[in-house]
Amino acid sequence: AQSVTQPDIHITVSEGASLELRCNYSYGATPYLFWYVQSPGQGLQLLLKYFSGDTLVQGIKGFEAEFKRSQSSFNLRKPSVHWSDAAEYFCAVLTQAGTALIFGKGTTLSVSS
Amino acid sequence: DGGITQSPKYLFRKEGQNVTLSCEQNLNHDAMYWYRQDPGQGLRLIYYSQIVNDFQKGDIAEGYSVSREKKESFPLTVTSAQKNPTAFYLCASSSNYAGYTFGSGTRLTVV
Repeated sequence: AQSVTQPDIHITVSEGASLELRCNYSYGATPYLFWYVQSPGQGLQLLLKYFSGDTLVQGIKGFEAEFKRSQSSFNLRKPSVHWSDAAEYFCAVLTQAGTALIFGKGTTLSVSS
Repeated sequence: DGGITQSPKYLFRKEGQNVTLSCEQNLNHDAMYWYRQDPGQGLRLIYYSQIVNDFQKGDIAEGYSVSREKKESFPLTVTSAQKNPTAFYLCASSSNYAGYTFGSGTRLTVV
């Protein structure tokens, strides 16, 4: 069965430091992968997505993610974190039937000054 | 502006009561989804619908029901059979593999 694992429940990063959020997936074929961000009490906003092609994808708000098939990973990165990036981040994969997204349990990002 | 509207933002349910959460979209998307979010659990799929008058159970459909009579609307009813309904409920829609557009959620609390 398809699944998504986000190993880090909570990460704290200093403002201006770089960020990497980890995501591992279990999937039989080429996955469609997504990263979403959620502010408290709000819905989710799409940061970026990977379908095929270039394994380094650029998203909104200065985020990027790299697809590594050999490691079954799709880690999210940002070179310099801003206080406004504090939120919960979710990695997701589209089911093989293409019917719905399966989400990881999320990583909460705190930004310290 | 196109988007998804969920209402109400906060909802309180008494024991044994059915409640209905509203989800309306004006994006002309074919597919719509309901997810439940609990702290530390991520989002779990309740029901989804890919076309009007058709819907499928997700991973945690027990105690919930839906209808899809119009393309724009996908209401979720939390029935008295759902023993632990307190959660944050998110509705989403999509037109292809481009990803979902989410509503701002409804927080349901049992009182």
